[in-house]
Amino acid sequence: NAGVTQTPKFQVLKTGQSMTLQCAQDMNHEYMSWYRQDPGMGLRLIHYSVGAGITDQGEVPNGYNVSRSTTEDFPLRLLSAAPSQTSVYFCASSYSGNSNQPQHFGDGTRLSIL
Amino acid sequence: DAKTTQPPSMDCAEGRAANLPCNHSTISGNEYVYWYRQIHSQGPQYIIHGLKNNETNEMASLIITEDRKSSTLILPHATLRDTAVYYCIVPRTNNAGNMLTFGGGTRLMVKP
Repeated sequence: NAGVTQTPKFQVLKTGQSMTLQCAQDMNHEYMSWYRQDPGMGLRLIHYSVGAGITDQGEVPNGYNVSRSTTEDFPLRLLSAAPSQTSVYFCASSYSGNSNQPQHFGDGTRLSIL
Repeated sequence: DAKTTQPPSMDCAEGRAANLPCNHSTISGNEYVYWYRQIHSQGPQYIIHGLKNNETNEMASLIITEDRKSSTLILPHATLRDTAVYYCIVPRTNNAGNMLTFGGGTRLMVKP
């Protein structure tokens, strides 16, 4: 049982490059989300999805796009990377978006933008 | 969302119980209390959650006061591997998704 799998674990980009952070879960969870964590700070919600075909913005959505074509996958796209997007990115999933469902996190993608 | 207050740091001797307090005095009747922890630079790990009653699982126990304004996470026999930052969270219940707001947490240091 893999849980939530994020790839890659590390990535270095140049300003202006684009890339996709992958997130997959094998628990048949409907709810998935992306957070970023900056040094010494808590996690901030970027985007979330309550099911396949449905996505919505979180606290800090600017500069990021998401899609949810399947229940299992929830990729996060950086269209034109900026140094301010240097961060650790965590994907999470839960059975539903109800507050009585715990969210389970992946191990993160550490992204540096030069 | 309900704000939570935790002490910034605590120490615990290995093998002893670690009791981590959390205040959430503005919690509403249908909001859950969650505990997560983050070990070094790993992803947050779910520990336990509860609404009104005390809860126990293989990792920890959660004690919620009768007025629900505070709670305590108990690690019954702390090990060195329990050294981590522990977060007490009361998730939003509105249409903005099930957003978890991670505050400063409590940095627990388990010492030999």
